[in-house]
Amino acid sequence: EAQVTQNPRYLITVTGKKLTVTCSQNMNHEYMSWYRQDPGLGLRQIYYSMNVEVTDKGDVPEGYKVSRKEKRNFPLILESPSPNQTSLYFCASSPRSLSPNTEAFFGQGTRLTVV
Amino acid sequence: AQSVAQPEDQVNVAEGNPLTVKCTYSVSGNPYLFWYVQYPNRGLQFLLKYITGDNLVKGSYGFEAEFNKSQTSFHLKKPSALVSDSALYFCAVRPYSGNTPLVFGKGTRLSVIA
Repeated sequence: EAQVTQNPRYLITVTGKKLTVTCSQNMNHEYMSWYRQDPGLGLRQIYYSMNVEVTDKGDVPEGYKVSRKEKRNFPLILESPSPNQTSLYFCASSPRSLSPNTEAFFGQGTRLTVV
Repeated sequence: AQSVAQPEDQVNVAEGNPLTVKCTYSVSGNPYLFWYVQYPNRGLQFLLKYITGDNLVKGSYGFEAEFNKSQTSFHLKKPSALVSDSALYFCAVRPYSGNTPLVFGKGTRLSVIA
């Protein structure tokens, strides 16, 4: 089954403790991205990657890192989480980064709480 | 810079009645427009998109959307709402040119009452 898989689905952590949210897709998509969803703000893009070893900042990159060492994986890293990073996070992928008319496929989301 | 506005945070409709979820956009040049739906505890699912051609686009689950260039709108519609349509709906836009990411609206919560 074609899918985008995020882990974990739920995570509660403490301020300053490094964490990684994994994202993997099995559709051989070039384009992957991370969003955070907050009430009243919709989805805001954190980082995106057009292909292996190519990443770029989205609208809200502060406090996050990403890497794209393999085509299928695009982990989101919070080196020192803070409470304002409490949010619902989505990973998305789509084929051919230069096809603006292609819809994105989303993971099921990771609900992160930083206390 | 492109943007999307969904003017209603919440839309309530009775089951069997037609529904409309509004979306207006701002983008340089011609747009690609999308609607996504998010059910509770799920990721976003693609509903439909407008690329070019016919202004009325048909999508999944009986939904359709009408592209209106003069009003820069892309409202989502369904002739007869179901309780199972209750969810959060997001409109998104991307311009034809460039490799820019999707820009999402803030979402509209649709509640269909039996």
